Amino acid sequence: GAVVSQHPSRVICKSGTSVKIECRSLDFQATTMFWYRQFPKQSLMLMATSNEGSKATYEQGVEKDKFLINHASLTLSTLTVTSAHPEDSSFYICSARVGGDYSNQPQHFGDGTRLSIL
Amino acid sequence: GDSVTQMEGPVTLSEEAFLTINCTYTATGYPSLFWYVQYPGEGLQLLLKATKADDKGSNKGFEATYRKETTSFHLEKGSVQVSDSAVYFCALSDPGGYQKVTFGTGTKLQVIP
Repeated sequence: GAVVSQHPSRVICKSGTSVKIECRSLDFQATTMFWYRQFPKQSLMLMATSNEGSKATYEQGVEKDKFLINHASLTLSTLTVTSAHPEDSSFYICSARVGGDYSNQPQHFGDGTRLSIL
Repeated sequence: GDSVTQMEGPVTLSEEAFLTINCTYTATGYPSLFWYVQYPGEGLQLLLKATKADDKGSNKGFEATYRKETTSFHLEKGSVQVSDSAVYFCALSDPGGYQKVTFGTGTKLQVIP
């Protein structure tokens, strides 16, 4: 149980393209999902907290107009990298927690999306 | 703010050697503590967790004990295998609100036959 599916697993596209990444909780509902970015050989950095039915909460330094987050349902959050440039190339990972916002359960992660902007 | 410090890698061990990866944390309140593992090209998998002081998390031969007095959560395994080669992340989750997770920088483990 507690499976988080992320799609696509890899994207290669030209500079200026917008890219959408989907994060789905397959067997549970998630009012809150999280989006992380991981640079090579570095840890995960939280980008934003995605809230179902309301605006995402972005971490300091993350451009909300660059990284659009939509949490349209209790099982789906999307991250759109708008007008992507080579510096946006990275590994993006989403996560969700079973049991709601105040539960003491761990987060479960998707397999990540490797984004490469040429 | 919350922070997690773990030993720098890479750590290279021979098969069947004993593994320790140190992790200490700084947090307000009483966080939950986790170890996640990331295999090459993949996302993160929860390895084990502990939610209160003196709890011991264990899974697949790995274990870690929540030590409040030393603010530590060291990962140990008695006999590593080649298949354990991966990056290991220590993490904490603050107890309130959205329970954001703060990760350590990760420790790469390489086990050689």
